Amino acid sequence: DAGVTQSPTHLIKTRGQQVTLRCSPKSGHDTVSWYQQALGQGPQFIFQYYEEEERQRGNFPDRFSGHQFPNYSSELNVNALLLGDSALYLCASSWQDNEQFFGPGTRLTVL
Amino acid sequence: KNEVEQSPQNLTAQEGEFITINCSYSVGISALHWLQQHPGGGIVSLFMLSSGKKKHGRLIATINIQEKHSSLHITASHPRDSAVYICAVWGSGGGADGLTFGKGTHLIIQP
Repeated sequence: DAGVTQSPTHLIKTRGQQVTLRCSPKSGHDTVSWYQQALGQGPQFIFQYYEEEERQRGNFPDRFSGHQFPNYSSELNVNALLLGDSALYLCASSWQDNEQFFGPGTRLTVL
Repeated sequence: KNEVEQSPQNLTAQEGEFITINCSYSVGISALHWLQQHPGGGIVSLFMLSSGKKKHGRLIATINIQEKHSSLHITASHPRDSAVYICAVWGSGGGADGLTFGKGTHLIIQP
């Protein structure tokens, strides 16, 4: 079992661009949550997907959107990138409301 | 919104010492998680608990729901335990609320 995987590992973009991050959940998991972790801070909840629907959303603007596919994998899209969007983006998967398992993260740098 | 406070923020100890990290939260929860994050970003789930006490190897986690407080203990600490330890909670709505994280405790175990 590969566990939770994320791609890419690192990404550099410029302000105003758009980015798509990808997450494959652990085998048997059906729920994917996304978190943003700024340098030196704890992660912040962005949103959660279950049964291909956004189930809950944290305090993030509409520039942040996502999708879950029938195979439970998920994408996080960020439009009109700002310098402040530079962070580590973490994906976590679980089977419904059980323990979450985290991926290695994607480090996004916005120049 | 739940406020999650951890103490201490930084902790340096000698190998073999007994380590305690504390977490308090402001609003009732459905579950509390202890996570470990190493340099580079990867997060590992250590415990998920909603009552009582759990033990895994040299790690012990306890929670007091009435006092809204949890502790993570490390017995016979080792330099490989050096990491950031993060407390995170699920609100009363369960996993759909996403995790609310503390800022983490930076632990360094010196040989």
